[in-house]
Amino acid sequence: EVQLVESGGGWVQPGGSLRLSCAASGFIFSSYAMTWVRQAPGKGLEWVSAISGSAGSTYYADSVKGRFTISRDNSKNTLYLQMNSLRAEDTALYYCAKGLSTGFSPSDYWGQGTLVTVSS
Amino acid sequence: QSALTQPASVSGSPGQSITISCTGTSSDVGGFDYVSWYQQHPGKAPKLMIYDVNNRPSGVSDRFSGSKSGNTASLTISGLQAEDEADYYCCSYTSSSTRVFGAGTKVTVL
Repeated sequence: EVQLVESGGGWVQPGGSLRLSCAASGFIFSSYAMTWVRQAPGKGLEWVSAISGSAGSTYYADSVKGRFTISRDNSKNTLYLQMNSLRAEDTALYYCAKGLSTGFSPSDYWGQGTLVTVSS
Repeated sequence: QSALTQPASVSGSPGQSITISCTGTSSDVGGFDYVSWYQQHPGKAPKLMIYDVNNRPSGVSDRFSGSKSGNTASLTISGLQAEDEADYYCCSYTSSSTRVFGAGTKVTVL
């Protein structure tokens, strides 16, 4: 059974940093692209970033480019999102999601999310 | 990248068919056959319903179907059921090698 468990969320002041993690199990982690998607309270989904199975390719939304870094450790079956220079508008529930294939692809399994709150 | 345009709400009676539209540009929806649709019930994670315009993942009911014409993609739900009441989001690959979601459509079963 595919399982994705996010952690690392919490409260941080504007300008601060957080690192989110997503522990994956139930599939061959290195064979699939992974994605981070966020959802602000009461709002819609926003695509944030994605990484290929080999970690050779990464992709970012303009809203986070230069501030967020996606990475993965295939030996630990774990996905990461390093978030720097956080802003109030980054407040959201952050989901990690598994791709349909090793390349940049839609997400067929999602975690339950970890909440990030950016506020002074 | 601007969000794709979806109607805020669509409603129908049980057994009816409804269609949700998703309008983008030639740089996203119109330029690639990489449109997907997600269903999200309140407090739950999204669920993939359609990918690559008209493909259903294993386990998704064949009452859900997708199509595309020009810059507009559509999700049709046939034989509407109470359990279909949820928010639906379209998502497209873009020419910038990113993805963009629609603003979401709330489906109400009357």
